[in-house]
Amino acid sequence: GQQLNQSPQSMFIQEGEDVSMNCTSSSIFNTWLWYKQDPGEGPVLLIALYKAGELTSNGRLTAQFGITRKDSFLNISASIPSDVGIYFCAGHRGSRLTFGEGTQLTVNP
Amino acid sequence: DGGITQSPKYLFRKEGQNVTLSCEQNLNHDAMYWYRQDPGQGLRLIYYSQIVNDFQKGDIAEGYSVSREKKESFPLTVTSAQKNPTAFYLCASGRTGKSMVNTEAFFGQGTRLTVV
Repeated sequence: GQQLNQSPQSMFIQEGEDVSMNCTSSSIFNTWLWYKQDPGEGPVLLIALYKAGELTSNGRLTAQFGITRKDSFLNISASIPSDVGIYFCAGHRGSRLTFGEGTQLTVNP
Repeated sequence: DGGITQSPKYLFRKEGQNVTLSCEQNLNHDAMYWYRQDPGQGLRLIYYSQIVNDFQKGDIAEGYSVSREKKESFPLTVTSAQKNPTAFYLCASGRTGKSMVNTEAFFGQGTRLTVV
């Protein structure tokens, strides 16, 4: 299947710090999506990106659709304890939606 | 309320039995997806469907089957041929925008299947 390489796998940060994670692929994607998943729940959509080079914000979250259409990053500014969870990137290629392996974020108060 | 409903939340089955997981959406979405998630792992695509009466295999379709007889419903059957069926199963649906490009996808709350 198509591969999305997400990094880092895990992050341990202090409250108030900024966070950055990214996804890369050898394939071009039409749409990039970023999700957050809490334990035992379905992923919740955070940001959707549709155009190469697009930069979109949602509160303290900012994400960009890479200019080559093969990568995307997500930044979280001024982290708070409720940011804890697993963050996933996902890409649409045709009608198929592929996910990265996730970044486990831990925020220490 | 509009949304995606997966039922039940927890499901227990004996080994060798087929089991069907329900996924219903009232968002008028064309696309629907099924994923499997194992502990500490990402989401792996089982099947997906763009329109009624049509669906495609994902990366791990062996041992699973689906149907898409109605736009609102995309049930997943875990058959006895699936070697390791115990997992968290997630259903999603999404819109199709201009030029049939898929846009956002939204998830249900998941079904945790345990086979004993």
